[in-house]
Amino acid sequence: QQQVKQSPQSLIVQKGGISIINCAYENTAFDYFPWYQQFPGKGPALLIAIRPDVSEKKEGRFTISFNKSAKQFSLHIMDSQPGDSATYFCAASIGSGYALNFGKGTSLLVTP
Amino acid sequence: DAGITQSPRYKITETGRQVTLMCHQTWSHSYMFWYRQDLGHGLRLIYYSAAADITDKGEVPDGYVVSRSKTENFPLTLESATRSQTSVYFCASRHAGPSSYEQYFGPGTRLTVT
Repeated sequence: QQQVKQSPQSLIVQKGGISIINCAYENTAFDYFPWYQQFPGKGPALLIAIRPDVSEKKEGRFTISFNKSAKQFSLHIMDSQPGDSATYFCAASIGSGYALNFGKGTSLLVTP
Repeated sequence: DAGITQSPRYKITETGRQVTLMCHQTWSHSYMFWYRQDLGHGLRLIYYSAAADITDKGEVPDGYVVSRSKTENFPLTLESATRSQTSVYFCASRHAGPSSYEQYFGPGTRLTVT
């Protein structure tokens, strides 16, 4: 049973545009929500993460928006660049000592 | 080299054979994880370990065995490989402290079972 549902499965955005990827979860015990970025042939790498005590976190062009009541969180990539073309995974976990529950991933293509 | 490494990077094996995938990390991280990545499924947890000699099942443990006699190593063994175990396998590790939950992933092992 997929504990974290991610959409869309794939996304094509023009250079300079905004990329938006959404995730939803059911388990209210989750308290850590990271986004991972994966390039072909590489392992995933942490991009940005948020805890449920804040509604938004921004790092450069990447922003996580978190809606605790709706049990949803999203990744916004501003001014998308071709170098952002990768697969993005959202995930959730319960505190320390627990593994990440990943969404199925979104393949992002940013066209020149 | 510092970091997390996996070996082999590519492996082709036959159905029924035993195969072991190796994972080594140099950070002395307490937690280590094995995931498999399949198209349409994302990353699914196979096994994880909180410390040496402490392991637990994840979402898809059937057909896999793990051990962790040393903190830095976390091998994954497929006792009798099946075609359904053809996948890309990722090892990950993280620090035990509450200040950071970040998991660091290795480069992956692409396993093909014929």
